[in-house]
Amino acid sequence: EAQVTQNPRYLITVTGKKLTVTCSQNMNHEYMSWYRQDPGLGLRQIYYSMNVEVTDKGDVPEGYKVSRKEKRNFPLILESPSPNQTSLYFCASSPGLARDEQFFGPGTRLTVL
Amino acid sequence: QKEVEQNSGPLSVPEGAIASLNCTYSDRVSQSFFWYRQYSGKSPELIMSIYSNGDKEDGRFTAQLNKASQYVSLLIRDSQPSDSATYLCAVNPNDYKLSFGAGTTVTVRA
Repeated sequence: EAQVTQNPRYLITVTGKKLTVTCSQNMNHEYMSWYRQDPGLGLRQIYYSMNVEVTDKGDVPEGYKVSRKEKRNFPLILESPSPNQTSLYFCASSPGLARDEQFFGPGTRLTVL
Repeated sequence: QKEVEQNSGPLSVPEGAIASLNCTYSDRVSQSFFWYRQYSGKSPELIMSIYSNGDKEDGRFTAQLNKASQYVSLLIRDSQPSDSATYLCAVNPNDYKLSFGAGTTVTVRA
């Protein structure tokens, strides 16, 4: 089944404890992206990747890192999480570009205490 | 000014009626426009895309685009309870960026 998977689905952590949210797609998509969703603000793009080893900042990159060492994986790293990073995170992929249909993962609900 | 603006709603419509959702965007160079539907607790899924001025129909959904006025709308005809969801407008200002509105919540009452 074609899909985007994220892990973990739910995470409660404390300020400053490094964490990684994994994202993997099995559709051989070139474009991958991370979003956070907050009430009243909608989906905001954190980082995106056009292909292996090619990443760039979105609208809200502060406090996040990403890597794209393999085409299928695009992990989101929070080196020192803070409470303002409490949010619902979505990973998405598309065949080529942002104008292609985005396929979203199931989401990761992160709480930073 | 937000890049993509939508009325947050909630928009309540009776079953069988037409639901009308509006979206405005600020970047004039935007070329691609999308409507995603998001059920509560789920991830967004694409329902419509539109790239040129005018109307585009797909089943009970019609997307309308007016680039001169910088707005895009979505009509849901013969609304069903299963249409109750949040509808996200998305705009593609360049090849690699996708900007979303905050979403309009639609409730279809039986």
